[in-house]
Amino acid sequence: TQLLEQSPQFLSIQEGENLTVYCNSSSVFSSLQWYRQEPGEGPVLLVTVVTGGEVKKLKRLTFQFGDARKDSSLHITAAQPGDTGLYLCAGPAGGTSYGKLTFGQGTILTVHP
Amino acid sequence: SAVISQKPSRDICQRGTSLTIQCQVDSQVTMMFWYRQQPGQSLTLIATANQGSEATYESGFVIDKFPISRPNLTFSTLTVSNMSPEDSSIYLCSARTGVETQYFGPGTRLLVL
Repeated sequence: TQLLEQSPQFLSIQEGENLTVYCNSSSVFSSLQWYRQEPGEGPVLLVTVVTGGEVKKLKRLTFQFGDARKDSSLHITAAQPGDTGLYLCAGPAGGTSYGKLTFGQGTILTVHP
Repeated sequence: SAVISQKPSRDICQRGTSLTIQCQVDSQVTMMFWYRQQPGQSLTLIATANQGSEATYESGFVIDKFPISRPNLTFSTLTVSNMSPEDSSIYLCSARTGVETQYFGPGTRLLVL
């Protein structure tokens, strides 16, 4: 199973600040997904990146997939309290684990008004 | 994409009893999964629910404790048997629709007293 290391584990910032969450691996992934989970809800898919070097934007969120497809980042510009939640990166578990996802440890983001 | 519903959304149970969680997808999907999550933490895969055959369990999870059914391509159940306080957790159902993307239900919050 391929592993994903996510950092930082906790992030507490003020409204209006920028932040970046990292997702790294020693393995190559065919794709990576980013999810956000709000308290009391299930994870919601934000984006899937599939091409090395790819950059996707979702309003104030920018997602990058590394050229070597071993890492990804999520950058939030001018964070708002509504961005508060648990952010998870995930990718195919690989090998014989067809269809399964492996998840990073998660980043708990708190944006203070 | 897929819209996934779970029932019940939450429950408080006595130790020694069993609870069955239902998962309904609004479209036919190839693969369904059951996860467990402690609040604020990442997801742990319990098993893959296979349509028409026995579920495939991950290390540390067994069929006697977590029997799973999947009678068709849109529905699955997970039973948490002979519950103890250690089973208190969030249980999530997911469905694989795209090449390597999963969508999640809202989760079932279980508290065992």
